[in-house]
Amino acid sequence: GQNIDQPTEMTATEGAIVQINCTYQTSGFNGLFWYQQHAGEAPTFLSYNVLDGLEEKGRFSSFLSRSKGYSYLLLKELQMKDSASYLCATTDSNYQLIWGAGTKLIIKP
Amino acid sequence: DVKVTQSSRYLVKRTGEKVFLECVQDMDHENMFWYRQDPGLGLRLIYFSYDVKMKEKGDIPEGYSVSREKKERFSLILESASTNQTSMYLCASRTGDVIETQYFGPGTRLLVL
Repeated sequence: GQNIDQPTEMTATEGAIVQINCTYQTSGFNGLFWYQQHAGEAPTFLSYNVLDGLEEKGRFSSFLSRSKGYSYLLLKELQMKDSASYLCATTDSNYQLIWGAGTKLIIKP
Repeated sequence: DVKVTQSSRYLVKRTGEKVFLECVQDMDHENMFWYRQDPGLGLRLIYFSYDVKMKEKGDIPEGYSVSREKKERFSLILESASTNQTSMYLCASRTGDVIETQYFGPGTRLLVL
């Protein structure tokens, strides 16, 4: 079957680092996406990984291990505006996105 | 700047009513998608379209239909709204390249009474 798991909620402190994990099982794999979604707003694209390893983009980095079916999103120097839900999504053999339920990240001062 | 717009941000309808949700994109994208988002669940694909007049069922098409008469416009239709269709509806578009990101509209929060 196809499945994506990520923690429901995480809490972190302003200025700190947080890692949001995502594990997946899909019938085919054509890359993994991370999206950010602020409350009441549309998801916006953060990153796309198709090869193993770490991709860094400013304060955000995304890691992929295809052999382990595992990815994480790393957020550094947390700011209050980073409070949002983070959605992990992977592509199946039909190139359609399979979405995780999202991780709600709460940032405390 | 890319833009996907949806006809309403909030909508209240009664059980049995026919509901139209419209989505328009200005990026000349081939692919368009309709999702619903419910608490504790991931985005679930209702229908998608690869091209004008083309449509494909997603994971949860029951109770919904779609129309794509023009490239920029993709409509979701609830033939006879039911309370279990109360949800956030998100439209997205993408180029024909499957590794490209999807761009989302602001969403329509539908309440069916």
